[in-house]
This record gives sequence, structure tokens and C-alpha cells, in this order.
Amino acid sequence: GAGVSQTPSNKVTEKGKYVELRCDPISGHTALYWYRQSLGQGPEFLIYFQGTGAADDSGLPNDRFFAVRPEGSVSTLKIQRTERGDSAVYLCASSLGGQSTDTQYFGPGTRLTVL
Amino acid sequence: AQKVTQAQTEISVVEKEDVTLDCVYETRDTTYYLFWYKQPPSGELVFLIRRNSFDEQNEISGRYSWNFQKSTSSFNFTITASQVVDSAVYFCALSEARRGGFKTIFGAGTRLFVKA
Repeated sequence: GAGVSQTPSNKVTEKGKYVELRCDPISGHTALYWYRQSLGQGPEFLIYFQGTGAADDSGLPNDRFFAVRPEGSVSTLKIQRTERGDSAVYLCASSLGGQSTDTQYFGPGTRLTVL
Repeated sequence: AQKVTQAQTEISVVEKEDVTLDCVYETRDTTYYLFWYKQPPSGELVFLIRRNSFDEQNEISGRYSWNFQKSTSSFNFTITASQVVDSAVYFCALSEARRGGFKTIFGAGTRLFVKA
């Protein structure tokens, strides 16, 4: 079946602009995760959804970052007033349930560049 | 607090050599899970293995093997007879239960170069 997909694959924006990044999880997966990966680093947890609700958003760096998953499937990560430091690859993953045993399957990521 | 340390930033080997990637973790929980992921140049993280804290049996899958030692908080990964296609960044990760779900922490990764 289809894996996790993310759009766009690349996004270039100017400082101060608003961006939306989209994630389509594997069909039937109830849990969805967003990570940010800076160059030379491992993925950094941002937020985790179980169904429609954000079960843990402790990784969001500040209130410019927000994510939604209104129907428990597709999720959108929204970044307001982008800053150059937001430049990174944003990864989405999904898993069948929300247990720590569940394997997370990752999408190809969206590379965000803030000029 | 959770922490995952991959001390080797880059490793370079010649094809057919064996190579071991180190992973050391810190946790206060007694129940936790450890993972290894591979990130090839294409960028997509690929799941390799999951191990829970109560299962210290080593595991072998083809040319890959994993050594889990709770006494030293290590979960090392060995590739036997390395191949050029093994060239990638490898991440070790730790997952612990939290109220409302769990959180996964990744190490900084080890970049493996396998030369022909």
C-alpha cells in the first residue's frame, strides 16, 4: 500500500511569511507525528496526534508553530511569521496505534528554506 | 531525562569490511523501546529494528545484527560484509511512555560511507 506522503517536497519562502506543510499518513494509522530535522542532526520531535487530538505538543518550539488533524487522517503543520532558523526538513510519520512499541513509518519530508 | 548518544559522527569503510555503529542511551524508565533507522541519500527514514527493554536477546537479520546491553545502556548495530548500498546515515532512537502517549528521541546519527 501507499506510504506516508508529504507535500510539498520543497518550499522556499521569505522571512515573515506563513507556510503550511501537509502530511498524508498511511491509511488506517491512527497516530501521526511531526519531526524537524536540521542539517547533521537527528529528527527532533514536534507534536504527536492520536486520532484528531494532539496528545503531546511539547516539542513545538513556540506559538508560531501549530498543527491540526481535523478528521484524524491528513495533518497540516502551520508556521506563522517564518524565521530563517525555521529552515529544516520537516518529517511526518504515522503508526498503526499510539503505543511506544508501534513502528513509525516516515514520509520523505518537506525541505523548508526561509530566505 | 531521555538522551541518545551516537558518538561516531562519520565512519568510512571499504566494501566487505564489518562495521559497528555505537548507541548509548539514558533513561529513568524501566520500560522503554529502542529503534534503529536508516536514512539513505534519498532522505526517507527506513525502520530497521525495534527492541523492548525486557528483551536483551541479540538479533540477527541477514548481514545486520544488534547487541543490546542494559548493563551499559548500549544498543549497538553491526553490519557484516558491508556493501556500497549500506552507505547512509543511521539513527538510534529511544521511546518512552508518557501521559497521553509517548515520545521518541533520536540520536544525532552516524554517517556511514562504504567505498567500493
